[in-house]
Amino acid sequence: DGGITQSPKYLFRKEGQNVTLSCEQNLNHDAMYWYRQDPGQGLRLIYYSQIVNDFQKGDIAEGYSVSREKKESFPLTVTSAQKNPTAFYLCASSKEGRSQNTGELFFGEGSRLTVL
Amino acid sequence: AQSVSQHNHHVILSEAASLELGCNYSYGGTVNLFWYVQYPGQHLQLLLKYFSGDPLVKGIKGFEAEFIKSKFSFNLRKPSVQWSDTAEYFCAVNTGGFKTIFGAGTRLFVKA
Repeated sequence: DGGITQSPKYLFRKEGQNVTLSCEQNLNHDAMYWYRQDPGQGLRLIYYSQIVNDFQKGDIAEGYSVSREKKESFPLTVTSAQKNPTAFYLCASSKEGRSQNTGELFFGEGSRLTVL
Repeated sequence: AQSVSQHNHHVILSEAASLELGCNYSYGGTVNLFWYVQYPGQHLQLLLKYFSGDPLVKGIKGFEAEFIKSKFSFNLRKPSVQWSDTAEYFCAVNTGGFKTIFGAGTRLFVKA
C-alpha cells in the first residue's frame, strides 16, 4: 500500500542534542512538508519541498533543517537552537510539484518528540 | 495574514445528536477548503474537500460541509453522530500555493 512512513514514532532526547526525524513516501508525490502540531494550535508549517534538491521555509522554520536529496525522502532535523522542541511532528506530501497546488495533503502517522 | 478560525475547541455530544463545527477563514481570493480528521491513535486523514462547483460537499462517513463565500465559512455537519466519530477535526485552507493553513482544531467527544 502506498503511504507515508515516519520514524521513530516516539523519541526522547536530552536538551542540546540534535534529532533527525525520518519521512519516506512511496506515493510518487512531488511535494513534501513538515508540520508541527501543538495542543490548541493546530498544525504549523515548518518546511516544504516542491521538488528534489529544493526546499522552502515555512512559518516556524527557526531551529529546524531539512534536506531533499531523493524524491521519496524528506528528513527533518530538530537542532539544539529550537527553543521548544517537544511536540508532535507530522510529515505530509501532495501530488503537485511546481504546478499549481490544490493543497490536498496526505499525512504520515507522526513522530512525538520529547526533550527532557 | 491568512488565518483559519475554528469556533469550538471542545464539543461533547450524545450519540444521535446533530453536529455542526464552525470554520471561518480570512482571505478574499479563490480558496481550496478542507476538513481533516484525526481519530485517536491514527494519522490525519482527509474528510472532505471543496475546490469549486456545488458549495455543498459530501465526504466520508456521512459528513458534509457547506461553503458560503459571502461569510468566508466552511462549516462541517453531520445529522447524527456516532461514538466512532470521537476525534479531532481540523479545517484547512489553501490559496493555490504550498502553504495550507490549518485551524486550531476541534476535539469532539461523543458519549455512547
